[in-house]
Amino acid sequence: RKEVEQDPGPFNVPEGATVAFNCTYSNSASQSFFWYRQDCRKEPKLLMSVYSSGNEDGRFTAQLNRASQYISLLIRDSKLSDSATYLCVVHLDTGRRALTFGSGTRLQVQP
Amino acid sequence: DTGVSQDPRHKITKRGQNVTFRCDPISEHNRLYWYRQTLGQGPEFLTYFQNEAQLEKSRLLSDRFSAERPKGSFSTLEIQRTEQGDSAMYLCASSLPGSGTDTQYFGPGTRLTVL
Repeated sequence: RKEVEQDPGPFNVPEGATVAFNCTYSNSASQSFFWYRQDCRKEPKLLMSVYSSGNEDGRFTAQLNRASQYISLLIRDSKLSDSATYLCVVHLDTGRRALTFGSGTRLQVQP
Repeated sequence: DTGVSQDPRHKITKRGQNVTFRCDPISEHNRLYWYRQTLGQGPEFLTYFQNEAQLEKSRLLSDRFSAERPKGSFSTLEIQRTEQGDSAMYLCASSLPGSGTDTQYFGPGTRLTVL
């Protein structure tokens, strides 16, 4: 079983739509959680950290459910520029610095 | 440009050859990481340095791979006797502890193709 699992998609949505991505992680000791965005043939870039209380950044909302070991990302009012792969990322924070990435969910926003 | 830089951006080599990649982290970032990414997968951790000390190595880092950060600034990743399975994007990241969540910032990567 993969440590971080994501639906690979692709999610094809029209501009203006709301889309949600989910992610599950296997290690209950995981402490920090992130969503990274990766454009085609580019490096991953931090989109947002995910906190237990949930957090919002403009059109993006991230939620964490520790009991279910589940992370979500909601994008409202999708823009063409949101088309990318969204990577769910987990960090153990037990002296290890390595980030563990999911395989990513591809989003294609269509005009 | 004050981001992480990597050189070369692309490398094509023949099986059995040795290759070396360089990473320059963001200035003052004392943590440096190497990851590998293959098509359709997320990045996989290879190794991590704090200053010049290599503190963590993945089991993915076979004995053909070696990484150094001799002066605690730039780092090199060498792959000896390359194999076709080594073809991937090699990503470097850096971070500064104490900056909130110790965010890792990635460089543009070196794309390796082994023929």
